[in-house]
Amino acid sequence: LAKTTQPISMDSYEGQEVNITCSHNNIATNDYITWYQQFPSQGPRFIIQGYKTKVTNEVASLFIPADRKSSTLSLPRVSLSDTAVYYCLPFSSGTYKYIFGTGTRLKVLA
Amino acid sequence: DTAVSQTPKYLVTQMGNDKSIKCEQNLGHDTMYWYKQDSKKFLKIMFSYNNKELIINETVPNRFSPKSPDKAHLNLHINSLELGDSAVYFCASARGGGNEQFFGPGTRLTVL
Repeated sequence: LAKTTQPISMDSYEGQEVNITCSHNNIATNDYITWYQQFPSQGPRFIIQGYKTKVTNEVASLFIPADRKSSTLSLPRVSLSDTAVYYCLPFSSGTYKYIFGTGTRLKVLA
Repeated sequence: DTAVSQTPKYLVTQMGNDKSIKCEQNLGHDTMYWYKQDSKKFLKIMFSYNNKELIINETVPNRFSPKSPDKAHLNLHINSLELGDSAVYFCASARGGGNEQFFGPGTRLTVL
């Protein structure tokens, strides 16, 4: 199972774009990369998933370079409500074991 | 129309007691999980069940015994509670393995 490394914490201001990079050097060929968001006192929530290149949805964008050893979650124009912990999570189809890393605690300031 | 629900939301109990946490999902998923999140916010998987069968049991003490009466329910029973069991326990469900997981709101267990 791929081990992930993320910054422990980040601060940003409202309206800025935030990029959180996750390192997963030993990612397997059939692993996807998923990001989850966890607000205080809530369970994690799926926000985006990708395999390579770029994926965009209404919440975020996910950039994955060709070697797939890292991925970057991009949150456009963050607001105070984006303050949360963000987890990077590689997994492969058919797996039942998920390894959540330490996550990145994002704090958005006014 | 809560997708994954857990009861109770808060549980305060004395050391040595036995307690249960219930989890139900109405998403029609066949896979359910229990996670433990400690005070440092590390989220660690405890058990995975697929179609009521135990798939993953992550070095969890025998005092923890999950039970899945049907695919929509996965309960967690804990015997002889210890101080170190204090944490937030999350239930989750998914369609098969390797798919998006849906988490419940968590149960905050405090052992005194």
